[in-house]
Amino acid sequence: QKEVEQNSGPLSVPEGAIASLNCTYSDRGSQSFFWYRQYSGKSPELIMSIYSNGDKEDGRFTAQLNKASQYVSLLIRDSQPSDSATYLCAVPRGGYNKLIFGAGTRLAVHP
Amino acid sequence: EAGVAQSPRYKIIEKRQSVAFWCNPISGHATLYWYQQILGQGPKLLIQFQNNGVVDDSQLPKDRFSAERLKGVDSTLKIQPAKLEDSAVYLCASRLLAGVDGNIQYFGAGTRLSVL
Repeated sequence: QKEVEQNSGPLSVPEGAIASLNCTYSDRGSQSFFWYRQYSGKSPELIMSIYSNGDKEDGRFTAQLNKASQYVSLLIRDSQPSDSATYLCAVPRGGYNKLIFGAGTRLAVHP
Repeated sequence: EAGVAQSPRYKIIEKRQSVAFWCNPISGHATLYWYQQILGQGPKLLIQFQNNGVVDDSQLPKDRFSAERLKGVDSTLKIQPAKLEDSAVYLCASRLLAGVDGNIQYFGAGTRLSVL
């Protein structure tokens, strides 16, 4: 079992729809979770972090965490073509918090 | 605030040649990471520095890869000799450690390496 698992996609949604990206993790002791967005040929950019069970909203983005189910998700409301990218889920590991990344989910928002 | 700087942006070499990448982290960031990202995969940690000391190099292929962080600031990652499977993007990231956002890692633009 991989430490962080994501559906590779592509996930195709129409403009204006809600995109739902999912991530599961294996270490029940994980405390913090990050969502990075990576445009093609670019470096990862942090868009959301979440530390507590429940929802965290930031603009059109909502992160949801369920530690009991070892599940974290990212919702993107009113999806725009500019949201088309790969979304990486990352979980810190070890004393100096190296990030364990999932393989990423490719999102395509079509007009 | 300046971001993480990396150079070069692109490098093409032949197998068995050597190559070096350079990273300058965000000022004041104590922790520096080198990740390897192969096409279609998430980044994978190669080595992690805390100031100028190595704290995790468990995934670094030490027979060919080396890295150093002199004076706890800039870092270089070297591959010698390169293999075809080293073709990837090499990402440098840094982290502050302290404060509310201390866990956040900031990535540089990366160096795209092609080994022919």
